[in-house]
Amino acid sequence: QVQLVESGGGVVQPGGSLRLSCAASRFIFSNYGMHWVRQAPGKGLEWVAFIRYDGVNRYYAESVKGRFTISRDNSANILYLQMNSLRVEDTAVYYCAKGGIGTHRYMDVWGKGTTVTVSS
Amino acid sequence: EIVLTQSPGTLSLSPGERATLSCRASQSVSSSYLAWYQHKPGQAPRLLIYAASNRATGIPDRFSGSGSATDFTLTISRLEPEDFAVYYCQQYGSSPWTFGQGTKVEMK
Repeated sequence: QVQLVESGGGVVQPGGSLRLSCAASRFIFSNYGMHWVRQAPGKGLEWVAFIRYDGVNRYYAESVKGRFTISRDNSANILYLQMNSLRVEDTAVYYCAKGGIGTHRYMDVWGKGTTVTVSS
Repeated sequence: EIVLTQSPGTLSLSPGERATLSCRASQSVSSSYLAWYQHKPGQAPRLLIYAASNRATGIPDRFSGSGSATDFTLTISRLEPEDFAVYYCQQYGSSPWTFGQGTKVEMK
């Protein structure tokens, strides 16, 4: 069964940095695009970033553009999200999710999430 | 950016009843690239429907999706106790990918 396990969350001060990781298993990681999606406390789901299967194309939500960087290591089956200049409003549960096949960039498998708290 | 508006915000129903959830897009969704997800507290979201009307692997046939362009619907034909949750629509036809604000299906 396809598995995604996030790690790297924690408490950080405003302006700080964190790097999230997502370990993927039981599927051919290098064949699929991958997403990061977040949910702030009491709010709905918000798409954060997407990276194509080969890492060539990356897309970001306007709210994180210039501060967050999505990347991947296809040899180790790991997805990353480098988060810099963190703001209080970045506080959320962050999920990694596997994209669909080809141009179907829905999220067909999700991890259980890792919590990021930005607070002074 | 395509804005998705879901209605109603909350649906209060009993097990066995039919649930109809709406998702309206601010502009046409390319190729009907519209998905529906179920999300329960403390759990990972689950993909139910992709490309407007295709059930994801392992999803019971009481879940169905329909619609095109700007108007989409998720129908749960007979609610089971495990179906009470929040449901989100999401478009993936163009970046930025966007979610609706969610519809909570609660037990009456």
